[in-house]
Amino acid sequence: DTAVSQTPKYLVTQMGNDKSIKCEQNLGHDTMYWYKQDSKKFLKIMFSYNNKELIINETVPNRFSPKSPDKAHLNLHINSLELGDSAVYFCASSFGGQGGRNTIYFGEGSWLTVV
Amino acid sequence: AQSVTQLDSHVSVSEGTPVLLRCNYSSSYSPSLFWYVQHPNKGLQLLLKYTSAATLVKGINGFEAEFKKSETSFHLTKPSAHMSDAAEYFCVVSDPAGGYSTLTFGKGTMLLVSP
Repeated sequence: DTAVSQTPKYLVTQMGNDKSIKCEQNLGHDTMYWYKQDSKKFLKIMFSYNNKELIINETVPNRFSPKSPDKAHLNLHINSLELGDSAVYFCASSFGGQGGRNTIYFGEGSWLTVV
Repeated sequence: AQSVTQLDSHVSVSEGTPVLLRCNYSSSYSPSLFWYVQHPNKGLQLLLKYTSAATLVKGINGFEAEFKKSETSFHLTKPSAHMSDAAEYFCVVSDPAGGYSTLTFGKGTMLLVSP
């Protein structure tokens, strides 16, 4: 029973395409996140949603649009993909925000390669 | 502002020998600190966390970490390495005030375990 599941795990696509990554959590958490891990393994938050409301929106190109239909789902849609978008994208969830004692649970990642 | 520095990008040990992964942090507050592990092609798994309780924190798989405020450190240790410990390890600092402040990840330490 996967707590945070995201699909697809691997995605290879051409520049200019539009793609989506889906994420679902069955932990009953109220906050979900998208993180990006670059080629040097550095992790940085992109977005955070609490109860379907956008809380954190880091300096991410507006080609990236998160959508949260309910608090158990947070999908990431990317328009006009560029080579620099190649990375691993992690979905995560927690109770409450990122600060303090809240443990964040991560999905297994989606490896996006733009060619 | 908060930051975290993992002092070694790679650590190599032999199976059965002790493991030490070093982490120093900077925070304006008394921080919460976490260690996550990432196995190849996998998501991040929480090893342990410090949230202002006992300074010596025990985690999963025999790992532990000690919070030393005077040294602003939170080093991860294990008495005896196992081959399955080979992975990337991330030290993470969080503002304990809660809310929607961001987690800050270190750049990771790759642990290599040889037979």
